[in-house]
Amino acid sequence: RKEVEQDPGPFNVPEGATVAFNCTYSNSASQSFFWYRQDCRKEPKLLMSVYSSGNEDGRFTAQLNRASQYISLLIRDSKLSDSATYLCVVPRGSGYSTLTFGKGTMLLVSP
Amino acid sequence: NAGVMQNPRHLVRRRGQEARLRCSPMKGHSHVYWYRQLPEEGLKFMVYLQKENIIDESGMPKERFSAEFPKEGPSILRIQQVVRGDSAAYFCASSPEEGYTFGSGTRLTVV
Repeated sequence: RKEVEQDPGPFNVPEGATVAFNCTYSNSASQSFFWYRQDCRKEPKLLMSVYSSGNEDGRFTAQLNRASQYISLLIRDSKLSDSATYLCVVPRGSGYSTLTFGKGTMLLVSP
Repeated sequence: NAGVMQNPRHLVRRRGQEARLRCSPMKGHSHVYWYRQLPEEGLKFMVYLQKENIIDESGMPKERFSAEFPKEGPSILRIQQVVRGDSAAYFCASSPEEGYTFGSGTRLTVV
């Protein structure tokens, strides 16, 4: 299994749709996980941290399944401004100081 | 409260020249991380530094690349004798307890 694997997409959805991204990881020692958002030719920005079973922040919900080494990100009521690439991020070791980034899943929200 | 500052934003170098990329972490942060993003690729960890110390350089190419974070001044990523394959976006991040804040990056183009 690759260190971090994501479906590259793109996911094309209309405004208001619900969309889910999946991510699998290989480092079973990881304790915390992150979703970042990266706009075209910009720096990545932290979207959510994921601990234990999951986390919710407004329209965004992240779920963690340690047994399957699987993380998901759910976006409800998609907005045009949600169009970006979403990066699944896993610590390289048991800590979190250095990170392994997935290649990202591209989301395109259309009117 | 300035974020992570990187300069220059864009850098063009001819093959064989040296490239110097600078990064000033957020105020109060003493940890700096360098990542590289090749075209169509995910971010790859390069090096983790604290003031005057290299903590983890396991992601650095063995030759031509070096990094420092002196007691005074910004962190410097130095690439000697650049080749076309070094063309990429180089992102610096600083970290509080968890989660990174990235700078805007330096886009290096080798011609």
